[in-house]
Amino acid sequence: NAGVTQTPKFQVLKTGQSMTLQCAQDMNHNSMYWYRQDPGMGLRLIYYSASEGTTDKGEVPNGYNVSRLNKREFSLRLESAAPSQTSVYFCASSPGQGNTEAFFGQGTRLTVV
Amino acid sequence: AQSVTQLGSHVSVSEGALVLLRCNYSSSVPPYLFWYVQYPNQGLQLLLKYTSAATLVKGINGFEAEFKKSETSFHLTKPSAHMSDAAEYFCAVRVTRANAGGTSYGKLTFGQGTILTVHP
Repeated sequence: NAGVTQTPKFQVLKTGQSMTLQCAQDMNHNSMYWYRQDPGMGLRLIYYSASEGTTDKGEVPNGYNVSRLNKREFSLRLESAAPSQTSVYFCASSPGQGNTEAFFGQGTRLTVV
Repeated sequence: AQSVTQLGSHVSVSEGALVLLRCNYSSSVPPYLFWYVQYPNQGLQLLLKYTSAATLVKGINGFEAEFKKSETSFHLTKPSAHMSDAAEYFCAVRVTRANAGGTSYGKLTFGQGTILTVHP
């Protein structure tokens, strides 16, 4: 029972490099989310996808793009990485409605030097 | 817009003592409320959730939380702390929204987190 799977788990980038964080869920959930976690700031929503075929900006979308490839997969792309994007990134999914919780991946620890 | 405030970024207790982690929320509509726990270098795991069926909610590992609408609070408690409870705890509020296309989704807003330390 995999749940939400993120790859890679760790990554070091140089300023200006690009990369894509991958996320897949096997729970047939409609909604998927990307968060970043920084010390003392909790988790902040970067982008979300309410359902397959739709994506919307969250609180901190600048410098990121996303793709909802299909119902299972939701990727996050950094086109030109900056040191301010050093963070831990979490993907999550939820059925979409009601009081159901979100399920989280194990996170990707990204360092931009 | 909804928001969550966790009072105290660090809480330290002795093993066997009461754990109390505070969470206050604001929401213009009836919220769904959650507590998550994060152990070092891991993802977030659900502790408990408020379903509106009962104001006192029991979760895993002996934790419980009480929803108090008049105080807009959802504090997390555990009668007796264990060393294994050391972790970071997040309160979250969820409000069902619709995107521009009319599709419903649950927007989760998290508090800043409280790091719980348990001393022997």
